[in-house]
Amino acid sequence: AQTVTQSQPEMSVQEAETVTLSCTYDTSENNYYLFWYKQPPSRQMILVIRQEAYKQQNATENRFSVNFQKAAKSFSLKISDSQLGDTAMYFCALQDNYGQNFVFGPGTRLSVLP
Amino acid sequence: NAGVTQTPKFRILKIGQSMTLQCAQDMNHNYMYWYRQDPGMGLKLIYYSVGAGITDKGEVPNGYNVSRSTTEDFPLRLELAAPSQTSVYFCASSPTHSGMETDTQYFGPGTRLTVL
Repeated sequence: AQTVTQSQPEMSVQEAETVTLSCTYDTSENNYYLFWYKQPPSRQMILVIRQEAYKQQNATENRFSVNFQKAAKSFSLKISDSQLGDTAMYFCALQDNYGQNFVFGPGTRLSVLP
Repeated sequence: NAGVTQTPKFRILKIGQSMTLQCAQDMNHNYMYWYRQDPGMGLKLIYYSVGAGITDKGEVPNGYNVSRSTTEDFPLRLELAAPSQTSVYFCASSPTHSGMETDTQYFGPGTRLTVL
């Protein structure tokens, strides 16, 4: 069975600072996808960043980057130059190579302080 | 607990046909969600429900309808299927408690729908 763990239920960061959210996972698959999603109060799931497990290069999307350590099964999210609009719940997610079996972590509530 | 179950796992529809995607959860969760995921893309929220008898539109509700007559079930209805609705559909539920904006979501295995 696939599992995703986020060990930080809540975090806060000062505006313009950098913050890292942790995620570890477990799967027996060799190929899979990892995601970070942001969920604001509107309940939409906003895709922040996506990583294919077969790619060694860490994904980057503007102020968001990941540190993907496949052997350690770790997938942390770094947010640089934090903005007030980054305040939200962040979910780490794992999906198998067939596009099914979505597993989400419990989430980390991030607050960006002015 | 079976968690969140979805049926069918796969379906092919012709343009203009209708169908209902079934979703059920046995965890007594108040919140339930329907998402679609297009290839290489993230999840998009179609509809959600905060409890029996209450539903609300998400980001992409056009072409879909939902109902929530019981806590356990949250079916998604496609009327007049179109090729643009070809996608993988995920149902999810969460035990959101009063005072919390959102909570862990538990996902079903997905339904892969193709409209030809």
